[in-house]
Amino acid sequence: NAGVTQTPKFQVLKTGQSMTLQCAQDMNHEYMSWYRQDPGMGLRLIHYSVGAGITDQGEVPNGYNVSRSTTEDFPLRLLSAAPSQTSVYFCASRPTLATDGGELFFGEGSRLTVL
Amino acid sequence: AQSVTQLGSHVSVSEGALVLLRCNYSSSVPPYLFWYVQYPNQGLQLLLKYTTGATLVKGINGFEAEFKKSETSFHLTKPSAHMSDAAEYFCAVSKNNQGGKLIFGQGTELSVKP
Repeated sequence: NAGVTQTPKFQVLKTGQSMTLQCAQDMNHEYMSWYRQDPGMGLRLIHYSVGAGITDQGEVPNGYNVSRSTTEDFPLRLLSAAPSQTSVYFCASRPTLATDGGELFFGEGSRLTVL
Repeated sequence: AQSVTQLGSHVSVSEGALVLLRCNYSSSVPPYLFWYVQYPNQGLQLLLKYTTGATLVKGINGFEAEFKKSETSFHLTKPSAHMSDAAEYFCAVSKNNQGGKLIFGQGTELSVKP
């Protein structure tokens, strides 16, 4: 059981370049989300999705786009990378939309450096 | 708006000593509260959670936390630290009608000295 898979694990970009961070889960989870982790700031929610075709903004959405065409995949796109987007990015999913405080399952992270 | 504050970005204890990591939250509605742990170069994994019911919650690896509504706190404790407990710990809160949308604290790095 692969769980939540993120690719690539490492990426170096130049300012202004675009790229997509991939996230796939094989647990049939409805809810998927993207966080960025920066020293001293914890994890901040970028975008999330409660099902295919439905996405919404989190705390820090600027500079990022998402789409959710399938249950399994939730890619994060950077259209024009900036040095402020240097961070570690985590994708996370959970089983249902139920309000039972269920566990979020995290990928291993994608470390992005923007020069 | 919800928020989470973890007191102390770094805590150092000796092996065998009590571990206490502090977390305070603000929420306009009864919250769901979580502690996650992150080992080096890995994703986060759930330690424990409070939803409703018993306010003392037990988690994996001997950790527990107590929900104190009057103090808006959810501190994490372990009676005796192990070297393997060295990691970063995150407290998180969600509203009970926004399943999965977690707001995280800044994190506390726990070091364990031999």
